[in-house]
Amino acid sequence: GAVVSQHPSRVICKSGTSVKIECRSLDFQATTMFWYRQFPKQSLMLMATSNEGSKATYEQGVEKDKFLINHASLTLSTLTVTSAHPEDSSFYICSANTGGGGYTFGSGTRLTVV
Amino acid sequence: QQQVKQSPQSLIVQKGGISIINCAYENTAFDYFPWYQQFPGKGPALLIAIRPDVSEKKEGRFTISFNKSAKQFSLHIMDSQPGDSATYFCAASMDTGRRALTFGSGTRLQVQP
Repeated sequence: GAVVSQHPSRVICKSGTSVKIECRSLDFQATTMFWYRQFPKQSLMLMATSNEGSKATYEQGVEKDKFLINHASLTLSTLTVTSAHPEDSSFYICSANTGGGGYTFGSGTRLTVV
Repeated sequence: QQQVKQSPQSLIVQKGGISIINCAYENTAFDYFPWYQQFPGKGPALLIAIRPDVSEKKEGRFTISFNKSAKQFSLHIMDSQPGDSATYFCAASMDTGRRALTFGSGTRLQVQP
């Protein structure tokens, strides 16, 4: 089946630094990638939708200058958390439309900002 | 995002019992209704999904029941096992997957041995 590889699985960074999270579709072309954020014991909240070769569409309340999304190819989308602060600590998950209406999810990235 | 309401928030079931989780939606444009299982520290994994032209779908121990007129759908886990202990999310999307999934709030299932 369709697989999305997400890296890193865990990252700890200092406050004020930037962190990049990568999601790669391994055996299919992901024209659309979705980025979610999940706080402990809560549901997944959509942050943004990215389409290959175009600017991402951000959900209301998500700072696009803080969460930079790049979807430069059909197999790679990246989320960069810029100038990270402790309140950005969360579980970030990417998802891709696999065609035919299905979705596949990455394994998630636990970001801890200290 | 359009809401999908999920209940119960948590559920405790004895081994071998039936686990039932319910979801309700408002947006009649939704055309895809999946259920996901998530273990701590992992991404969601698709369990089973249904489209509105079908009232029930069964895959192994997992069954989705779909009531289009009531705008409700539910997940039944038969013969629940301790390994089924996880958080379950219902979700919905429209435009045949071109839009993001809208997730329910999640149900933490604990299956006691």
